[in-house]
Amino acid sequence: DVKVTQSSRYLVKRTGEKVFLECVQDMDHENMFWYRQDPGLGLRLIYFSYDVKMKEKGDIPEGYSVSREKKERFSLILESASTNQTSMYLCASSFWFVGQAQETQYFGPGTRLLVL
Amino acid sequence: KQEVTQIPAALSVPEGENLVLNCSFTDSAIYNLQWFRQDPGKGLTSLLLIQSSQREQTSGRLNASLDKSSGRSTLYIAASQPGDSATYLCAVSYTGGFKTIFGAGTRLFVKA
Repeated sequence: DVKVTQSSRYLVKRTGEKVFLECVQDMDHENMFWYRQDPGLGLRLIYFSYDVKMKEKGDIPEGYSVSREKKERFSLILESASTNQTSMYLCASSFWFVGQAQETQYFGPGTRLLVL
Repeated sequence: KQEVTQIPAALSVPEGENLVLNCSFTDSAIYNLQWFRQDPGKGLTSLLLIQSSQREQTSGRLNASLDKSSGRSTLYIAASQPGDSATYLCAVSYTGGFKTIFGAGTRLFVKA
């Protein structure tokens, strides 16, 4: 069965802290994604990765960085957490077919982050 | 600008009713369109995926249609049940890119 797991369901951090969100998939997918979801705004792409050590900025990369050292693991890093980064963070993965767009994305359960 | 809009934002119906959720997209050159379900505080679960060459897809009580020329998709839910209560999101992918654009979702509440 397809599985994407995220390290924490709920996190509370203080302003200025460095925050690590981990995502692991067991489907050997090439693509991995980090989104944030806010009421009324839908899902917004922060970063994605199409291969190990490869990363591309999404729509809202400011204040975030990512790391992909292994194919199955994609980490989102908040270098210095701020209150406006309080949100639901969703990780996803998908296969990639050369010359085409991606197919179905599989999502993790999400991490609800509160920055005080 | 590529955008996906879902109307209504929220919907409440009595159990047993058939209902339609709407999705519209501004750029009709899509590769595929997906409908997802999201339960409160959870991740997204894919319900149906329609390729650009297809007109509809069906799974159980769910039927999704696609009209590329008008930039619209609908998700039809037959004989709704309280367990169908969730947020339904529409997402569009375009050829040659990794970007999937999501709508803000329709929050559905089915009353017993």
